[in-house]
Amino acid sequence: DTAVSQTPKYLVTQMGNDKSIKCEQNLGHDTMYWYKQDSKKFLKIMFSYNNKELIINETVPNRFSPKSPDKAHLNLHINSLELGDSAVYFCASSQVDRTGDNEQFFGPGTRLTVL
Amino acid sequence: GQSLEQPSEVTAVEGAIVQINCTYQTSGFYGLSWYQQHDGGAPTFLSYNALDGLEETGRFSSFLSRSDSYGYLLLQELQMKDSASYFCAREGGGNKLTFGTGTQLKVEL
Repeated sequence: DTAVSQTPKYLVTQMGNDKSIKCEQNLGHDTMYWYKQDSKKFLKIMFSYNNKELIINETVPNRFSPKSPDKAHLNLHINSLELGDSAVYFCASSQVDRTGDNEQFFGPGTRLTVL
Repeated sequence: GQSLEQPSEVTAVEGAIVQINCTYQTSGFYGLSWYQQHDGGAPTFLSYNALDGLEETGRFSSFLSRSDSYGYLLLQELQMKDSASYFCAREGGGNKLTFGTGTQLKVEL
């Protein structure tokens, strides 16, 4: 199936731990994103990569480090997890096209709970 | 700033028409998108307006007025399955989407 996939779907961990979330898209898109959605459903961009190059880096703590080994993958590593990091993290991808609509395709999300 | 404002909640009955408004900041604006998100699900794309006017896709339509920094999503012939959160999202430079706070739509019998 063509899609954006993320692993794991659920992640429960202790404060201070380091964890990674993986994302893969097989849509052939050249741009990938990470978003954070908090408990009030506010959805905020964190990072975007275009062909493995960092394009958007919002004011995210440097404990968060994205890595794009190739244009089909964008992983998110989080160091020293804090309670406030608990949220749903969505990966997304799109094909940049100035004549089109920049539709972004979202993965199913990773629900991170920090205890 | 890049904030977007939309109502937090709208309730309507099945078969009705509902309009969800969105106002946005104009700085570096390329276009306005709308996304639907069911509880526990991922956001899914509904529509995009770069130019003024109405875009229609089945029961859903989206409107943009760049001069008024305003857009809306119109949902017709509401069905129970339309109960979800609806987000407007402003496209800026670098294909960056800034999402509004979302409107929870409840469709009742």
